[in-house]
Amino acid sequence: QSVLTQPPSVSAAPGQKVTISCSGSSSNIGNNYVSWYQQLPGTAPKLLIYENNKRPSGIPDRFSGSKSGTSATLGITGPQTGDEADYYCGTWDSSLSAVVFGGGTKLTVL
Amino acid sequence: QVQLQESGPGLVKTSQTLSLTCTVSGGSISSGGYYWSWIRQHPGKGLEWIGNIYYSGSTYYNTSLKSRVTISLDTSKNQFSLKLSSVTAADTAVYYCARYDRVVVVAATINWFDPWGQGTLVTVSS
Repeated sequence: QSVLTQPPSVSAAPGQKVTISCSGSSSNIGNNYVSWYQQLPGTAPKLLIYENNKRPSGIPDRFSGSKSGTSATLGITGPQTGDEADYYCGTWDSSLSAVVFGGGTKLTVL
Repeated sequence: QVQLQESGPGLVKTSQTLSLTCTVSGGSISSGGYYWSWIRQHPGKGLEWIGNIYYSGSTYYNTSLKSRVTISLDTSKNQFSLKLSSVTAADTAVYYCARYDRVVVVAATINWFDPWGQGTLVTVSS
């Protein structure tokens, strides 16, 4: 059971916008910053978003992040088949004094 | 740019100690400001943080593994290592090393892992 809650799967048609939610509590998302990771099949996770909404160099601007209260959201505008992957949110939990992750969300592009 | 590469045995016997090394290239692990981390992923499951080591040598561990985990630095080789003792089948996972950024701003923690190593599968079996 992960500390952060994500939907197991989402799907979207090319050209649509898809969002992936990450729900936590005041001890983690509510008072700390969120990062997002993309894990393509058979590969290591890759940083997609940090500090809630910042993109590292090389990440396309169709990936976006936001946070409100104790929840965070990853948005992907116009998903492509190459975006089919597992997506994880992560943050610090001040009560646990630990890094925590969501259980991951599998994106399928129809 | 900084790159990380895990190495170590792919098979460990039950009750023995799992030992992995992460070799860092393209930057010095002792240059300051960064933590160096281990994360694992059980087959078909999500990510689990194991622990961090700061460039100064200070360590921080997941409490669920703390009694069995040791993370250390070897600055002469630009490597850091993971030791996990008394392993069982439940420790079978892909183990990743990563660089960890952590900043505290007005009591809020900003943190992220980047870059990651490619990962190494460790199977625990009798």
